[in-house]
Amino acid sequence: GQNIDQPTEMTATEGAIVQINCTYQTSGFNGLFWYQQHAGEAPTFLSYNVLDGLEEKGRFSSFLSRSKGYSYLLLKELQMKDSASYLCAVGLNRLAFGKGNQVVVIP
Amino acid sequence: DTAVSQTPKYLVTQMGNDKSIKCEQNLGHDTMYWYKQDSKKFLKIMFSYNNKELIINETVPNRFSPKSPDKAHLNLHINSLELGDSAVYFCASSRVLDYGYTFGSGTRLTVV
Repeated sequence: GQNIDQPTEMTATEGAIVQINCTYQTSGFNGLFWYQQHAGEAPTFLSYNVLDGLEEKGRFSSFLSRSKGYSYLLLKELQMKDSASYLCAVGLNRLAFGKGNQVVVIP
Repeated sequence: DTAVSQTPKYLVTQMGNDKSIKCEQNLGHDTMYWYKQDSKKFLKIMFSYNNKELIINETVPNRFSPKSPDKAHLNLHINSLELGDSAVYFCASSRVLDYGYTFGSGTRLTVV
C-alpha cells in the first residue's frame, strides 16, 4: 500500500520563504519528485531527490530523508507567480502523488 | 513543438454516453500514462502502457478502456459515463518509468 501526505493550504507574502512538507509510507521507492501545478494547467517538474540531503535549484530547494519517509520543498524569495499547487510524488514504477499543497502568495 | 497533446480540452456530455479522449506524444518516449485529477486536486494514476503493452491498471472500472495503437498514442475510451467520472484527465509520457514525465494539458470532462 501507499500513503503520501501533505498539508493542504498556506498563504505567504511576496519575498518570504515557505516550506512545504511531504511524508510518505510506500512499498518501494524510486525517488521523490516535486511538481508545480498552476490552476487549470498541467503539472510541471520542479525537482527530484533519490539520495538523502538537499538539492538546490535557484529559488527552489528540496530535501529528502529516506529513513524518515520525509521530504520538503523550500521556496525562497516568493513571487506572485509562485501561487500554485505543489505536489510531491513517490516513484513506484509510476508516480504516486500526494494531494498537493496550495500556496497563495499575497503582496 | 515537442509535446504531449491531448484532445479535446473540454468535454461536456450526458450520463450514459460513450466518449473518447485522444493523446499523442512526439517525444519518442516509450511509456505513456493516464491520470485522473478529481475536484480535490488529487492526481491518481489509472493506466500505464510501455511500448503499446499495458503495464499498470490501477483498479479502474472496466467502463474505461485504454487503447495504444502505437507507442506514440494512448487513447482513453469511457463507456456509460457516470456523474462521478467528472474530473480532469491528464495524459503523460516518460522515457523511463518514473523519471522525466511530460504531462499533456488535460481534458476537463463534465458529465451532466
